[in-house]
Amino acid sequence: NAGVTQTPKFRVLKTGQSMTLLCAQDMNHEYMYWYRQDPGMGLRLIHYSVGEGTTAKGEVPDGYNVSRLKKQNFLLGLESAAPSQTSVYFCASRSIGQGNTEAFFGQGTRLTVV
Amino acid sequence: DQQVKQNSPSLSVQEGRISILNCDYTNSMFDYFLWYKKYPAEGPTFLISISSIKDKNEDGRFTVFLNKSAKHLSLHIVPSQPGDSAVYFCAAISSGNTPLVFGKGTRLSVIA
Repeated sequence: NAGVTQTPKFRVLKTGQSMTLLCAQDMNHEYMYWYRQDPGMGLRLIHYSVGEGTTAKGEVPDGYNVSRLKKQNFLLGLESAAPSQTSVYFCASRSIGQGNTEAFFGQGTRLTVV
Repeated sequence: DQQVKQNSPSLSVQEGRISILNCDYTNSMFDYFLWYKKYPAEGPTFLISISSIKDKNEDGRFTVFLNKSAKHLSLHIVPSQPGDSAVYFCAAISSGNTPLVFGKGTRLSVIA
């Protein structure tokens, strides 16, 4: 039972490089989210998706793009990485239903932009 | 404007004593509130939740209290154990296709 899997777990990028973070969930959840965690800032929502083919902006979307071509996958792209994007990125998924349905998180991707 | 606030960045408690973590919110449309626990180098894990129609929910050593009029909730851990040392995030959600909104977290240290 894998749950939410993030790939890669670690990455170092040079400023201006691009990369894609992959999130895969095997729980048939409708909702998927990308958060970033920075010291003293908590978990801030970057983008989210309420279903296959749909995406929406969160609190800090600038510099990121996302795609949800398949229900089980949610991709986060950085077109031109900046040092300000150095962070730990977490993906989460949640099922449709009553609002207290918990969100399940992946183990995170630690990204450093130099 | 921060909708979910955890004003204490850190808390230190002796083993066996009660830990009380606090959370305030501003959005009266929130229907559910959740607490997550996070260890270093791991993703957050769900701990306990409470519906806005209740004022208390208990699960073993963990109890969450909700005061809607004050827009305040708290997590009580009794008795506290060293393994409870982690960062605790308060989160809230309203009905519909809205995402979870998190506070900045409180780092709990339980001292043996």
